[in-house]
Amino acid sequence: GQNIDQPTEMTATEGAIVQINCTYQTSGFNGLFWYQQHAGEAPTFLSYNVLDGLEEKGRFSSFLSRSKGYSYLLLKELQMKDSASYLCAVFDSNYQLIWGAGTKLIIKP
Amino acid sequence: DAMVIQNPRYQVTQFGKPVTLSCSQTLNHNVMYWYQQKSSQAPKLLFHYYDKDFNNEADTPDNFQSRRPNTSFCFLDIRSPGLGDAAMYLCATSRDRQGTDTQYFGPGTRLTVL
Repeated sequence: GQNIDQPTEMTATEGAIVQINCTYQTSGFNGLFWYQQHAGEAPTFLSYNVLDGLEEKGRFSSFLSRSKGYSYLLLKELQMKDSASYLCAVFDSNYQLIWGAGTKLIIKP
Repeated sequence: DAMVIQNPRYQVTQFGKPVTLSCSQTLNHNVMYWYQQKSSQAPKLLFHYYDKDFNNEADTPDNFQSRRPNTSFCFLDIRSPGLGDAAMYLCATSRDRQGTDTQYFGPGTRLTVL
């Protein structure tokens, strides 16, 4: 079966750095997405990785290792507004987007 | 500015009373998706349209139907809502179905079934 695993919840302090991990087992791989979703709102696109390595975009970076079936989202200089759920999603060989259940990130002052 | 619009944002219906949710897009994307998302769960794909070609997920109940009368609009019809259908319904679009094609989401419609 297809599976995406990410921690259910994480807590971090304002101004700090947090890394949210995602491991996946899918039938094929055509890219990995990270989305941010605030409570009661729709997911918004953060990043896309299809090749191994680190993609940096401002305070957010996303890393992919296809051989390990592993990705992480790194958030730096955390702000209170970063409190949200972060969803990892993988395009499988049929271009179906397989979603993780999301990691709820709580930022404390 | 809004690219994917969903109406209404909040919908209340009675058990068994048909309801229609609407989605429109200004991106001229080929693909439109409907997802169901329950609290603290991953979005669950119900179906998608690739242009006029309808693609139903195998485990989507028959109670859920969709229409796409033109490129811009897509509707989700729930014929006889049950209590278990209370959820956030998300519409998304993408230019194509390739791996690089990001899905852009509307704000969602939160459905309550009384």
